[in-house]
Amino acid sequence: AQSVTQLGSHVSVSEGALVLLRCNYSSSVPPYLFWYVQYPNQGLQLLLKYTTGATLVKGINGFEAEFKKSETSFHLTKPSAHMSDAAEYFCAVQNSGNTPLVFGKGTRLSVIA
Amino acid sequence: DAGVIQSPRHEVTEMGQEVTLRCKPISGHNSLFWYRQTMMRGLELLIYFNNNVPIDDSGMPEDRFSAKMPNASFSTLKIQPSEPRDSAVYFCASSPSTRSSYNEQFFGPGTRLTVL
Repeated sequence: AQSVTQLGSHVSVSEGALVLLRCNYSSSVPPYLFWYVQYPNQGLQLLLKYTTGATLVKGINGFEAEFKKSETSFHLTKPSAHMSDAAEYFCAVQNSGNTPLVFGKGTRLSVIA
Repeated sequence: DAGVIQSPRHEVTEMGQEVTLRCKPISGHNSLFWYRQTMMRGLELLIYFNNNVPIDDSGMPEDRFSAKMPNASFSTLKIQPSEPRDSAVYFCASSPSTRSSYNEQFFGPGTRLTVL
């Protein structure tokens, strides 16, 4: 069975500082990996995805993530945090095209002025 | 495109009442997913359909929950009778089925259910 572990339910960074949100997964097959963002009282928005090819993927709003198979990780980074980045972030795994997503518990990012 | 539409956006009901949540997927999408979000369990799959056929309902908590997809443009999730522990945000998502190995899931805004 697939599972996703997000280290840290809450991360707080200063505006302009590096953002690092950690995600580790377990999967019996090469997975598809995703990061979603959820702003308060809104649905989920796809931030970025890894399916095949280049292991460093870039997403919206300056975020990127690197797929490291040897570490079973897919950590999300952004060089410089903005106040508008404050939200809940979910890492998810999927083992093939139209199957359900398996989500981590989420990490709430706070950005301090 | 209007995206995935869910109604109602908020529902407050009393324990024992029947609750029906509705979802209209994006036109042309033939996979539909119902997820539930709670503080304790996070986001978890309840059920999903391909071409209107339920494929996996192992996430449905118990017999009080039922889901239907009578046609390609409409799905319902019903709870009868509702209990306070059903309070959560319920998300519907849809995705196309193409020859691509990956098809993005698009999420609706969710229905926030409160059972008193």
